[in-house]
Amino acid sequence: GEQVEQRPPHLSVREGDSAVITCTYTDPNSYYFFWYKQEPGASLQLLMKVFSSTEINEGQGFTVLLNKKDKRLSLNLTAAHPGDSAAYFCAVSAGTQVVGQLTFGSGTRLQVYA
Amino acid sequence: EAAVTQSPRSKVAVTGGKVTLSCHQTNNHDYMYWYRQDTGHGLRLIHYSYVADSTEKGDIPDGYKASRPSQENFSLILELASLSQTAVYFCASSENRGGDTQYFGPGTRLLVL
Repeated sequence: GEQVEQRPPHLSVREGDSAVITCTYTDPNSYYFFWYKQEPGASLQLLMKVFSSTEINEGQGFTVLLNKKDKRLSLNLTAAHPGDSAAYFCAVSAGTQVVGQLTFGSGTRLQVYA
Repeated sequence: EAAVTQSPRSKVAVTGGKVTLSCHQTNNHDYMYWYRQDTGHGLRLIHYSYVADSTEKGDIPDGYKASRPSQENFSLILELASLSQTAVYFCASSENRGGDTQYFGPGTRLLVL
C-alpha cells in the first residue's frame, strides 16, 4: 500500500524565516494531496488540497509544490510567524485506494521563535 | 458551528472494560472515518463507513468495532480496552470518496489504565 514519509520530524525557525516540510510517497497513482495543520490539543485543519495536475499552489503565506516525477510534495511557509507554530501533516489519497482513504505522514512539529 | 463533534472529549478507562466513542456530523456527508493518533505520529485509519448500517475495516481494525446507525452518527467501540489503545481518536467525514476533503472532529483523548 501507499507509504508516506515526512521530513523533518521537528523544525525550529526564527520569525521571518522560511520553513520547508517535505513528504515523499510511493504510489504513482496518487492524485490528491492534502496539508493539515494541528495546533496543540486541537483537531486537524485543512491548509490546502492539491490536485496532481497542478504543480504549484499558493496559499496565505505558504506555497505547496508537487513534483510527480520524484513523488514529492512540499510545504513552504514563507516568512514564518509564531502563529505558524503547530504540527503539520501531509496526506495522500491514491486513485487506486478504496474510498477516500488517506495515508498520513508522521508529522512535522514546527516551532517559530521571535 | 462545528460540523463534526465527538463525545466524550476525554476518557479514562480500565483495562478489559468497554469503551464507546461517539461521533456526530451535520455535514450531510455519506462517508465517515475513525482514526487514531499516537503521540508524535500521524493518523491511522481504523474503520470507515459510506452508508448507514454498514462499516468497513481500515488499516488497523483489530480490537475495534464500529457502528453507523444513521448517516449522522458513527461510533467506535472497544469491547475489551487494552493499554495499547491509549491514544487520541479522531472522527472525520467527507462528502464522497476519492479526493474529497475530510473534515475532522475535535478528537477524544483516551487513557487506558
